Amino acid sequence: GDSVTQMEGPVTLSEEAFLTINCTYTATGYPSLFWYVQYPGEGLQLLLKATKADDKGSNKGFEATYRKETTSFHLEKGSVQVSDSAVYFCALPSSGGSYIPTFGRGTSLIVHP
Amino acid sequence: GAGVSQSPSNKVTEKGKDVELRCDPISGHTALYWYRQSLGQGLEFLIYFQGNSAPDKSGLPSDRFSAERTGGSVSTLTIQRTQQEDSAVYLCASSLITSGSGDTQYFGPGTRLTVL
Repeated sequence: GDSVTQMEGPVTLSEEAFLTINCTYTATGYPSLFWYVQYPGEGLQLLLKATKADDKGSNKGFEATYRKETTSFHLEKGSVQVSDSAVYFCALPSSGGSYIPTFGRGTSLIVHP
Repeated sequence: GAGVSQSPSNKVTEKGKDVELRCDPISGHTALYWYRQSLGQGLEFLIYFQGNSAPDKSGLPSDRFSAERTGGSVSTLTIQRTQQEDSAVYLCASSLITSGSGDTQYFGPGTRLTVL
């Protein structure tokens, strides 16, 4: 079945540092790929997505490129801010007739001033 | 427009009591999901509703858990005879299912359940 593997956290960085959160997936076919973000005390919200191979999703300075050959969708940001402190989830939407998405376990990011 | 809302935001109950958690999805969204998020853990799928179809209950952890969706809109998750291990944040999400290759889920803020 489908699966998503994310790097374990917490990831602790200083402000303005470069961020990478790794995500790899196993899926049937070539699904869309998503990154969601969960700020403290809130629900998840969509950060960015890519719908096909080689697409790059971007939002709020974050980017992720859909790599079919490595089945990866790593999240990057060139210069993190304290306000980026949150939990980040990589996700596969439903596939194979099921409408139940698959989420990674989440990676906590802590950014210090 | 209004997003997904959940109530109550916090619920403290005693072991053995029943609780009801409510979710109001975005108007027009045909799909509704319940998830459980335990401290430091990822999302655990519980149940999925789509239109008038029978719900997918494959994620419910025990028969103490049930959910209904009335009129294709509001949903209630009920936990009977609560146990301490039920303590978690319960998240609701809705989406507009299309025939495309992936639909964005819109999440509510969650209900934090504490069982003493």
